[in-house]
Amino acid sequence: AQSVTQLDSQVPVFEEAPVELRCNYSSSVSVYLFWYVQYPNQGLQLLLKYLSGSTLVKGINGFEAEFNKSQTSFHLRKPSVHISDTAEYFCAVSLPGGKLIFGQGTELSVKP
Amino acid sequence: NAGVTQTPKFQVLKTGQSMTLQCAQDMNHEYMSWYRQDPGMGLRLIHYSVGAGITDQGEVPNGYNVSRSTTEDFPLRLLSAAPSQTSVYFCASSSRRPGETQYFGPGTRLLVL
Repeated sequence: AQSVTQLDSQVPVFEEAPVELRCNYSSSVSVYLFWYVQYPNQGLQLLLKYLSGSTLVKGINGFEAEFNKSQTSFHLRKPSVHISDTAEYFCAVSLPGGKLIFGQGTELSVKP
Repeated sequence: NAGVTQTPKFQVLKTGQSMTLQCAQDMNHEYMSWYRQDPGMGLRLIHYSVGAGITDQGEVPNGYNVSRSTTEDFPLRLLSAAPSQTSVYFCASSSRRPGETQYFGPGTRLLVL
């Protein structure tokens, strides 16, 4: 069965520091991988996705993620965070037919 | 182009009451789905549909009913609300092409007393 594990439920970080949000997945088939962001009291919006090709994927707001097939990971990184990046971040796996399996979410809290 | 819309934004129900959460999209997407979001559990799939007249169960379907009579609309019905259904509900839609982005509505916050 496919599953997604986000290894940190909360990540506090100071403004302008780098951050990494970790995501591991398990799947017996090829998958597509996504990171979504949810700002307070809003729906989810796409940050970036990996479909195929280059393993380094760039998204919106300066975020990037690296697909590592051997380690079944898809970690999200940003070299310098801003207060406005405070949000909940979800890693997800897309299965054939369109279903998404989400991780538990990581709350990123950026402090001044 | 409104994207995915959901109504109501917030609802309070008493145990045993029924209600329908509305979801509509104007992007002509074949795939639509309902998720519930609970603290520490991410989003869990309730029901989904791959086109008008076709629905299927997700991970947590008990206590919920869906139908899809048009491409645009995908309502979620709570048949007899229970406190365990207190949650935030999100509707999403996408095309059925592999790897397509799902677009989410703003959510409905439901409190069952």
